[in-house]
Amino acid sequence: QLQLQESGPGLVKPSETLSLTCTVSGGSFSRSSYYWAWIRQPPGKGLEWIGTIFYSGSTYYSPSLKSRVTISVDTSTNHFSLKLTSVTAADTAVYYCARHGWGGGTKDAFDFWGQGTMVTVSS
Amino acid sequence: NFMLTQPLSVSGSPGKTVTISCTRSSGSIASNYVQWYQQRPGSAPTTVIYEDNQRPSGVPDRFSGSIDSSSNSASLIISGLKSEDEADYYCQSYDSSNQVFGGGTKLTVL
Repeated sequence: QLQLQESGPGLVKPSETLSLTCTVSGGSFSRSSYYWAWIRQPPGKGLEWIGTIFYSGSTYYSPSLKSRVTISVDTSTNHFSLKLTSVTAADTAVYYCARHGWGGGTKDAFDFWGQGTMVTVSS
Repeated sequence: NFMLTQPLSVSGSPGKTVTISCTRSSGSIASNYVQWYQQRPGSAPTTVIYEDNQRPSGVPDRFSGSIDSSSNSASLIISGLKSEDEADYYCQSYDSSNQVFGGGTKLTVL
């Protein structure tokens, strides 16, 4: 069974960079037609897609966050990472990593999710 | 980029049927599949409908999905409401370069 696990600091200071890692286990990471994504959810609010990466390194970012986001992948260690620069209190949220399809014969759903990690932006 | 608009809340009594709508702001609702997720407090979302109307294994057939091109919207229909269905529900779709979630709908079982 595929499992995803987020890790990283739970507290980040304003103007600094938020860095999270998602470790994928129980399945093939690189020999896959699936995509790997970061999604966030501010307290009491809805889900927001941050961006997606394919194992080849192709990336897709939310237009509203594109200027501050970088997603990278390391297929040798089965993990992918998120960096969000110049954070403010508005970036306080639960951050999830997830797998999803995107056409091409795969199931078009976010079908496996990590448990989520709360990141608070505060001095 | 397009948006998906959902009602903030819906409610229904046990045993009844509720429908949650999801309207796409631009582009055809039929051009890309729509998914629906259930999220209970403190948990990650889980898929209840994928590719407009497909149910993952383990999801009861009380859950169904449809799309309506005339209103450019998708719907999640939950019949035979149970207390355990009380949760937040999100629709999701995509285009060639973006993934989009709806704002979410809180379902209350009265």
